[in-house]
Amino acid sequence: KNQVEQSPQSLIILEGKNCTLQCNYTVSPFSNLRWYKQDTGRGPVSLTIMTFSENTKSNGRYTATLDADTKQSSLHITASQLSDSASYICVVSAEGSWGKFQFGAGTQVVVTP
Amino acid sequence: NAGVTQTPKFQVLKTGQSMTLQCAQDMNHEYMSWYRQDPGMGLRLIHYSVGAGITDQGEVPNGYNVSRSTTEDFPLRLLSAAPSQTSVYFCASSYIGRPGTGELFFGEGSRLTVL
Repeated sequence: KNQVEQSPQSLIILEGKNCTLQCNYTVSPFSNLRWYKQDTGRGPVSLTIMTFSENTKSNGRYTATLDADTKQSSLHITASQLSDSASYICVVSAEGSWGKFQFGAGTQVVVTP
Repeated sequence: NAGVTQTPKFQVLKTGQSMTLQCAQDMNHEYMSWYRQDPGMGLRLIHYSVGAGITDQGEVPNGYNVSRSTTEDFPLRLLSAAPSQTSVYFCASSYIGRPGTGELFFGEGSRLTVL
């Protein structure tokens, strides 16, 4: 069973609107959680990295939150743009298992004009 | 700064053929790794390395070999290609640095089809 579950699988939003993506994980003991953006046909690109002590981190219009107690994270996209159309991947790693990242299947976001 | 470079971008093989996917990074990263990405699934780790001469298996190592003779290069060898190895392969590298928080840089991917 995948230790990182993302929801929804896909969503369509209008340009200019906000959206929130969810990530639930069971990886333990927790070390850090990352969000990546993957454009079609390209490699993933890092958006944020959060450790246990961080509960919010922003990168421009992207804001990630982390609740290590409930093992949940969210990625909020503000004022979406057409260029935000991509797959967003949640990645979690365990303490003591550096190099063995657990990847979610991703949420496919389509921004329409 | 080229970052992580993968070649080839596309490859078609027949069952039983062998080939090598090349990966090179110019950031002096200790950590390098290979993943495969299949539809509806997260990236899965094949092999990884934390320095020259050091490699270890990931989640799905069967059918693949790696070696790390230099810091810059981390080739992935398919010994006898099977249709189940049809996938998109990504190489990634990172500083190990402050434990666990080195940013992971990915190549652009290599799309492999095995007939």
